[in-house]
Amino acid sequence: AQSVTQLGSHVSVSEGALVLLRCNYSSSVPPYLFWYVQYPNQGLQLLLKYTTGATLVKGINGFEAEFKKSETSFHLTKPSAHMSDAAEYFCAVTPGGATNKLIFGTGTLLAVQP
Amino acid sequence: GAVVSQHPSWVICKSGTSVKIECRSLDFQATTMFWYRQFPKQSLMLMATSNEGSKATYEQGVEKDKFLINHASLTLSTLTVTSAHPEDSSFYICSALRPDSRGYTFGSGTRLTVV
Repeated sequence: AQSVTQLGSHVSVSEGALVLLRCNYSSSVPPYLFWYVQYPNQGLQLLLKYTTGATLVKGINGFEAEFKKSETSFHLTKPSAHMSDAAEYFCAVTPGGATNKLIFGTGTLLAVQP
Repeated sequence: GAVVSQHPSWVICKSGTSVKIECRSLDFQATTMFWYRQFPKQSLMLMATSNEGSKATYEQGVEKDKFLINHASLTLSTLTVTSAHPEDSSFYICSALRPDSRGYTFGSGTRLTVV
């Protein structure tokens, strides 16, 4: 069975500090991996995705993630946190290609302290 | 481009009544749409996969007679919560699979409160 694990349901960083949100996946077939951001009472916005090719993926708002097959990880990073980054972040996987359903992790709530 | 409109954004209804939520792809045709449910401070749980012109595929544990899904056109899928109860109160989000495997676009969600 495919699954996504996000370590840390709450992460707090200072403004300007590095953001690191962890995501590990389990999939029996090559996965497509995604990071989404959700602001309160809103839908999800795609930050970035990995399908094939380059393992370091750059997304919007300065975020990037690296697919590490050996570690089954897809951690999200941003060099310098901004107050506007405070939101809920979800890692998701579609095992076996783009037309399959998304399986979400439990989410990480990012707080940014001034 | 690739906008999905979800209505209403919030709704309050009485126990025993039915509520319909609409999910429209505005600038692309979506043969496949997904319906998710999200409890407070929790992740999104897939309820069902909606395919245009055919019956929806429900996830294990989701009552198909309670959560009716209709995908009658390439741009519209609806979720009807029938005989709603307070435990159905939740945040419901739809997403549409974009053509040519270009990924998913999410609606803005519907906050349902059953009183």
